[in-house]
Amino acid sequence: NAGVTQTPKFQVLKTGQSMTLQCAQDMNHEYMSWYRQDPGMGLRLIHYSVGAGITDQGEVPNGYNVSRSTTEDFPLRLLSAAPSQTSVYFCASFGTQNSGNTIYFGEGSWLTVV
Amino acid sequence: AQSVAQPEDQVNVAEGNPLTVKCTYSVSGNPYLFWYVQYPNRGLQFLLKYITGDNLVKGSYGFEAEFNKSQTSFHLKKPSALVSDSALYFCAVRDPRRGGNKLTFGTGTQLKVEL
Repeated sequence: NAGVTQTPKFQVLKTGQSMTLQCAQDMNHEYMSWYRQDPGMGLRLIHYSVGAGITDQGEVPNGYNVSRSTTEDFPLRLLSAAPSQTSVYFCASFGTQNSGNTIYFGEGSWLTVV
Repeated sequence: AQSVAQPEDQVNVAEGNPLTVKCTYSVSGNPYLFWYVQYPNRGLQFLLKYITGDNLVKGSYGFEAEFNKSQTSFHLKKPSALVSDSALYFCAVRDPRRGGNKLTFGTGTQLKVEL
């Protein structure tokens, strides 16, 4: 069982560069989301999706775009990276029918913007 | 708005001693409560959850947590700590009325278990 898979695990970007963090899940979960983790702040919700074709903003959406063209994939795009986006990013998924009310997380993507 | 407080940034415990990691929450309605653990450079691993029913919930690796509605708490406990339990622990709450995957996390508690 692959679960929630994120790539890349580590990335260094220059200010102004763009990149996409990939997230895929093989559990047929309808809900997917992206969080960022910063020291002393816990995890904060960036964007989420309740199904293919539907996305919405979370607590800290500025500077990030998402799309959900399939149930399995939920990429997070940084259009013009800023040092404030240096963080650890976690993708998560949840299924109302097969998740037991538990949200599952990927292994994380460590991003540094210089 | 829902919120979670983990009042201790770090908890130190000797191996073999009981441990407690504290968590209080604020949510309107009946909460779904979770504990996750994060080892260095790893993702979040699910430990246990409270949805409904028995207030004492047992989870992975010998951990348990007690839901106390009157005190709005969900403290994580283990009767005998191991050095391998040293990690970052997060408490989280979800209001089931607000949608499937909107978890609100506490700021985390670093657990250090020493020999």
